[in-house]
Amino acid sequence: EAGVTQFPSHSVIEKGQTVTLRCDPISGHDNLYWYRRVMGKEIKFLLHFVKESKQDESGMPNNRFLAERTGGTYSTLKVQPAELEDSGVYFCASRRTGRVYEQYFGPGTRLTVT
Amino acid sequence: AQSVAQPEDQVNVAEGNPLTVKCTYSVSGNPYLFWYVQYPNRGLQFLLKYITGDNLVKGSYGFEAEFNKSQTSFHLKKPSALVSDSALYFCAVRDWKLTGGGNKLTFGTGTQLKVEL
Repeated sequence: EAGVTQFPSHSVIEKGQTVTLRCDPISGHDNLYWYRRVMGKEIKFLLHFVKESKQDESGMPNNRFLAERTGGTYSTLKVQPAELEDSGVYFCASRRTGRVYEQYFGPGTRLTVT
Repeated sequence: AQSVAQPEDQVNVAEGNPLTVKCTYSVSGNPYLFWYVQYPNRGLQFLLKYITGDNLVKGSYGFEAEFNKSQTSFHLKKPSALVSDSALYFCAVRDWKLTGGGNKLTFGTGTQLKVEL
């Protein structure tokens, strides 16, 4: 089966601009997670979808970040307006309901805000 | 709160020598522990997990990890390192809520492993 895919692989934008990251989970995986790694630091949880519903968004840093998962398939993460501290690698992961210990990660999107 | 510490930013080892990447954790309940590896330009790949049972867990690519409850550690090991093992390694703990929901992972800061000839 195809893995988790993320687009773009790399994005460079200026402070104040808007960027939208996309994640396509593995087919049939109802659970979708977003994580972020700021340079040199830990990978931090951002939020969790179950199908199209936000199960847990406790890790979202502020209201400049908006995540959606229309139809319970792919998800987007929009940053508007972007700030310098938003730079990092954004990972998406998916999991099949019932397989509680198996999260499959995508390759990540490297976001650079200048 | 749950947390993971990886005290070493980088570990250097010669090919053929044993390697250890350290991880300690802090949880309020039972720990569910994981190791992931990230190769350049690739996503995080699952290596192994500890849920319960035998303290020595075997995983992919010849890696293993030892769970030590008294020392709250979950060190990653390999008897004989390969140059191709060079990558970024992350330890993670499952954030267990009383409701049992979420399954979000709490990660450490990562350890860069460099295996040289």
